[in-house]
Amino acid sequence: ETGVTQSPTHLIKTRGQQVTLRCSSQSGHNTVSWYQQALGQGPQFIFQYYREEENGRGNFPPRFSGLQFPNYSSELNVNALELDDSALYLCASSLEGTRNNEQFFGPGTRLTVL
Amino acid sequence: GEDVEQSLFLSVREGDSSVINCTYTDSSSTYLYWYKQEPGAGLQLLTYIFSNMDMKQDQRLTVLLNKKDKHLSLRIADTQTGDSAIYFCAEGFNKFYFGSGTKLNVKP
Repeated sequence: ETGVTQSPTHLIKTRGQQVTLRCSSQSGHNTVSWYQQALGQGPQFIFQYYREEENGRGNFPPRFSGLQFPNYSSELNVNALELDDSALYLCASSLEGTRNNEQFFGPGTRLTVL
Repeated sequence: GEDVEQSLFLSVREGDSSVINCTYTDSSSTYLYWYKQEPGAGLQLLTYIFSNMDMKQDQRLTVLLNKKDKHLSLRIADTQTGDSAIYFCAEGFNKFYFGSGTKLNVKP
């Protein structure tokens, strides 16, 4: 069973640029959630995708967008980067319908915006 | 469910018990979770408790839930230096709300 993987591990961008982060779900999982974890904070929910459709969104502006592909891998896109977007971005996969809806987290992508 | 609060730091000696506390706000949460995060790593699910339970024990871990006070705690028995990490409680179902994390420091 392959766990959740994310790429790249680290990324440095400048203000105003755009970034795409990638996530491969754990085998058999059909749901992916994205979280932003600023330094010293807990993860904050960005959005969730289920069967390629957005299935809930947190308090993030529209410049944060996502995609889920038929193989359940996912992308997080952020446009017009701001300094405050610097954070660890975590994706988590799960299987809709499981009893406790356990989410399995990837190691994250560390984004630095200069 | 957006106000999950935890104390920021806890320091214990190796072999002692650690108790990490959390308060949450959403009384409709079906499950409550404890995650562990080691430096530079993602989140690892340690344990969870169903909201109709008061207590769950899993080897060295004991979770206590006081639903009336919306209070959740994680007790780690015989704490080891390898338990040093940040511990997050979380509530929710499809989207999780996390606390800010409690940094556990275990002194040898």
